[in-house]
Amino acid sequence: AQSVSQHNHHVILSEAASLELGCNYSYGGTVNLFWYVQYPGQHLQLLLKYFSGDPLVKGIKGFEAEFIKSKFSFNLRKPSVQWSDTAEYFCAVKDTDKLIFGTGTRLQVFP
Amino acid sequence: DGGITQSPKYLFRKEGQNVTLSCEQNLNHDAMYWYRQDPGQGLRLIYYSQIVNDFQKGDIAEGYSVSREKKESFPLTVTSAQKNPTAFYLCATTGGIAYNEQFFGPGTRLTVL
Repeated sequence: AQSVSQHNHHVILSEAASLELGCNYSYGGTVNLFWYVQYPGQHLQLLLKYFSGDPLVKGIKGFEAEFIKSKFSFNLRKPSVQWSDTAEYFCAVKDTDKLIFGTGTRLQVFP
Repeated sequence: DGGITQSPKYLFRKEGQNVTLSCEQNLNHDAMYWYRQDPGQGLRLIYYSQIVNDFQKGDIAEGYSVSREKKESFPLTVTSAQKNPTAFYLCATTGGIAYNEQFFGPGTRLTVL
């Protein structure tokens, strides 16, 4: 079965810093990949997803992720973070009829 | 107002009692899921259901039970057999086999005293 690794458990940045959160999945073939975000006190919501095509995926709020098949990776990036990006971020991969989530990365952005 | 409703937001129970968490959706989605979220462990799948009257165990089904008698509803019962029931429980839905994303409810925080 698929598995997902998120190596950054807690990231602390200042506003305007660049962000990259790592995500690796366990095996190849056709993969469907997702990044979800959970803002404090809010529902988990989709940031972006990759199914096929252009490996550089644009999401909401200026986030993007790059699918690199050779590295089994789907890292999340943002060029300049804001205080409002403080949240928990989850990477997920589709495994037959369900999603497998990583353990999450808690991002804190200070003004 | 379409969406997923989970009630209550906070729930307290005494150890040894069964408790049922509610999940209702009006998105007309076929599939529904229950996850448990613990700090540092991400979301772990408890049970899921692709259609009415059918459901499958997820990775951590022990101590939990579900039913899917209606398309709109997927209640989760946390039984007294669950050794560590205090957690944040999330319900999610997807719209069929070739789904594009999962939609999540607001969650229920269960505390067992």
